[in-house]
Amino acid sequence: GQQLNQSPQSMFIQEGEDVSMNCTSSSIFNTWLWYKQDPGEGPVLLIALYKAGELTSNGRLTAQFGITRKDSFLNISASIPSDVGIYFCAGILAGGTSYGKLTFGQGTILTVHP
Amino acid sequence: ETGVTQSPTHLIKTRGQQVTLRCSSQSGHNTVSWYQQALGQGPQFIFQYYREEENGRGNFPPRFSGLQFPNYSSELNVNALELDDSALYLCASSAALGRSTEAFFGQGTRLTVV
Repeated sequence: GQQLNQSPQSMFIQEGEDVSMNCTSSSIFNTWLWYKQDPGEGPVLLIALYKAGELTSNGRLTAQFGITRKDSFLNISASIPSDVGIYFCAGILAGGTSYGKLTFGQGTILTVHP
Repeated sequence: ETGVTQSPTHLIKTRGQQVTLRCSSQSGHNTVSWYQQALGQGPQFIFQYYREEENGRGNFPPRFSGLQFPNYSSELNVNALELDDSALYLCASSAALGRSTEAFFGQGTRLTVV
């Protein structure tokens, strides 16, 4: 099925550093989303993007919807230990048959060393 | 906490058996989607229910079936379990069809098939 290519697969950083991760696809998406998943929990929505070129912030998090509608990135500034977790990009494909189905990337595992 | 509850939280089944997983959607939400998340992967869309009818299905065989009840709670049934069905099964509810960006995920049911 349709896949989003998310990179990097994992990151090991020091507290206070900035983090950047991205997602790309060969298909066009109408909506890009970024989620965080903690162990034993379901994904929690961090940021939603609805228009090409849109840049949206949520506290220390900033995400952008790529101009081509085929990519998105997420930045985390001044990382803290509670940022540890798995980050997923997700999108809703353009076209009338997507039924609101979310397509997820493979995830980026973030480890923050104090 | 999202208000979406899933039961049971953990389950062990034998290959060939059948399993039923349950999801109570958030109050006021009439759309429920189910996702399968294999270890180390992003969630994969199984299907979506809106007003008690299936409205969109991912690339899963017919032995994966579901129901939605008048109170909008939902069940996922899997027949003839296979080892590869071992995964975290996530339920997400949203307030209306197509509003998947406002979907809230439950904590998931961890299914192990032995």
